[in-house]
Amino acid sequence: EIVLTQSPGTLSLSPGERATLSCRASQSISSSHLAWFQQKPGQGPRLLIYGAYSWATGTPDRFSGSGSGADFTLTISRLEPEDFAVYYCQHYGSSPYTFGQGTKLEIK
Amino acid sequence: EVQLVESGGGLVQPGGSLRLSCAASGFSFRSYLMHWVRQVPGMGPVWVSHINGDGSSTTYADSVKGRFMISRDNAKNTLYLQMNSLRHEDTAVYYCTRVGGYSSGYAFDIWGQGTMVTVSS
Repeated sequence: EIVLTQSPGTLSLSPGERATLSCRASQSISSSHLAWFQQKPGQGPRLLIYGAYSWATGTPDRFSGSGSGADFTLTISRLEPEDFAVYYCQHYGSSPYTFGQGTKLEIK
Repeated sequence: EVQLVESGGGLVQPGGSLRLSCAASGFSFRSYLMHWVRQVPGMGPVWVSHINGDGSSTTYADSVKGRFMISRDNAKNTLYLQMNSLRHEDTAVYYCTRVGGYSSGYAFDIWGQGTMVTVSS
């Protein structure tokens, strides 16, 4: 099973700032099968990025994904008020399809 | 509008059973692989089970194998999760989710709002 470790656990920033979220896999994975999700309270996860760096439909271009091998990053270039939420990375190449434990992005 | 709506959650005693449903609309349901994912509030999501488009192939997480069964009724555009021998550790919000096509890299692109399952005496 591939374990995904996200850091930091909580990130406190202000609107307009840049956010950098990390996702590290326990072994090298195909970047084709790395996704990022946003989740707000009371809602299901929303797909933001697939294939490590491709935008899902409706994802604003201030979000960008990068990385390869075992290290992946989600960057939000300039934070908007609606971006404060919890973010998860996921490996979806083969079962079990694992998720990270999440990074909470909170307003400073 | 593409939509998934879960139902069937509730309070059940340990050892009991529950069947969850997920109603799909706005897309050709039979053409898509589907999953169930669960999430304890405050924790990361955990994959539970997967089924292919015609229902002929299924996979399960080790934690639910032999107790849960995923199925689908393509005529009714509905996905199911039959949960038996429920344990306290099965308590979670359960989501159904679709595996998107080429345009979304075959990622889990559509999710429902979830249904809460609480296993407690």
